[in-house]
Amino acid sequence: AQSVTQLDSQVPVFEEAPVELRCNYSSSVSVYLFWYVQYPNQGLQLLLKYLSGSTLVKGINGFEAEFNKSQTSFHLRKPSVHISDTAEYFCAVQRTSGSRLTFGEGTQLTVNP
Amino acid sequence: DTGVSQDPRHKITKRGQNVTFRCDPISEHNRLYWYRQTLGQGPEFLTYFQNEAQLEKSRLLSDRFSAERPKGSFSTLEIQRTEQGDSAMYLCASSFGANQETQYFGPGTRLLVL
Repeated sequence: AQSVTQLDSQVPVFEEAPVELRCNYSSSVSVYLFWYVQYPNQGLQLLLKYLSGSTLVKGINGFEAEFNKSQTSFHLRKPSVHISDTAEYFCAVQRTSGSRLTFGEGTQLTVNP
Repeated sequence: DTGVSQDPRHKITKRGQNVTFRCDPISEHNRLYWYRQTLGQGPEFLTYFQNEAQLEKSRLLSDRFSAERPKGSFSTLEIQRTEQGDSAMYLCASSFGANQETQYFGPGTRLLVL
């Protein structure tokens, strides 16, 4: 079975500051890794995904994430955040293509002016 | 693509009543997923279909829950004899073909059981 731990439930930052949202996962097999964003009262939107290859993955809205197999981590980063980045962010793993996603509990990112 | 749509967006019901939600996936997406999200938590998998076949069900899906996708297009999720613990956001997602690892989510149906 797979599991995901998001190490911070809330991350407050000031506008234009860098941010890192941390995600560790546990799995006995190779997995695909995802970050989704959820704005209030909306569904989830895919930010980026890691399937294989380069460990640095770039996504939408200036976000990027780095896969670290030895540390079983997939941390999300953005060099300069905007007020509009305020949302809930979810890390997820998938064992095989097309199977269920297993999500972490989420990190609430709040960007203050 | 018009995206994944869900209906209704909000549902308030009394304990013991039955409710049914509908999900319309992105056109030609052959896989359809249902998740449940309670307040302050990440989504939890309930079940998924490939075309009309239900391939996997979570243990979360008690016998009060049933999902169908009769023609391989839209899907319905029914909850019988609702309980207050069923209050949650019910999310639907779909995926397709060579990129089936990527699930596209709908806006969700928020259920409140009084």
